Amino acid sequence: AQKITQTQPGMFVQEKEAVTLDCTYDTSDQSYGLFWYKQPSSGEMIFLIYQGSYDEQNATEGRYSLNFQKARKSANLVISASQLGDSAMYFCAMRGDQFYFGTGTSLTVIP
Amino acid sequence: DAGVIQSPRHEVTEMGQEVTLRCKPISGHNSLFWYRQTMMRGLELLIYFNNNVPIDDSGMPEDRFSAKMPNASFSTLKIQPSEPRDSAVYFCASSGTGGWNEQFFGPGTRLTVL
Repeated sequence: AQKITQTQPGMFVQEKEAVTLDCTYDTSDQSYGLFWYKQPSSGEMIFLIYQGSYDEQNATEGRYSLNFQKARKSANLVISASQLGDSAMYFCAMRGDQFYFGTGTSLTVIP
Repeated sequence: DAGVIQSPRHEVTEMGQEVTLRCKPISGHNSLFWYRQTMMRGLELLIYFNNNVPIDDSGMPEDRFSAKMPNASFSTLKIQPSEPRDSAVYFCASSGTGGWNEQFFGPGTRLTVL
């Protein structure tokens, strides 16, 4: 069974606009962690943000925030004020009994 | 400050050969992760060390794979014998917060097994 689902294979956003990348997860664990990573076309991997299941506040890192809705089992990534350099693949992941990655969402920022 | 260093950056080898990938984490970091990325399987976490001790190796695909961290500044991922399906980009990452947060990635090693 797929543990992490990213339903948006590709997304477009206008520069300076905000964009939400969806991620839903499936776990029966009480303790788990949720992650987002960015991979530009250059192939490097960049860790963006982490949310623990017991964290009461949504995680934020600069222009990135994780919209954590525990009851809905969603961990959407919100990027505010998109920049051209945000164009990349974005992967959602969960640490539970094992570590699961989603299939990714390709984000293109349009000037 | 140097980031995470991985060597080699590219490795081409023949099936059956032993392959050793190396990683030097950021100085002072106490958590280290090995990931693999392929077109077929996507991204996978292979193993996670904390204070040089393997904490979670549930992602290690099979006995042909082994990882060690003999000290805080060095880790290896060894494949013996290698197979064509091991062809992938292998990323090493380190974290200084003693956990999963704020991971810094190396540039990756692109492995091709012929």
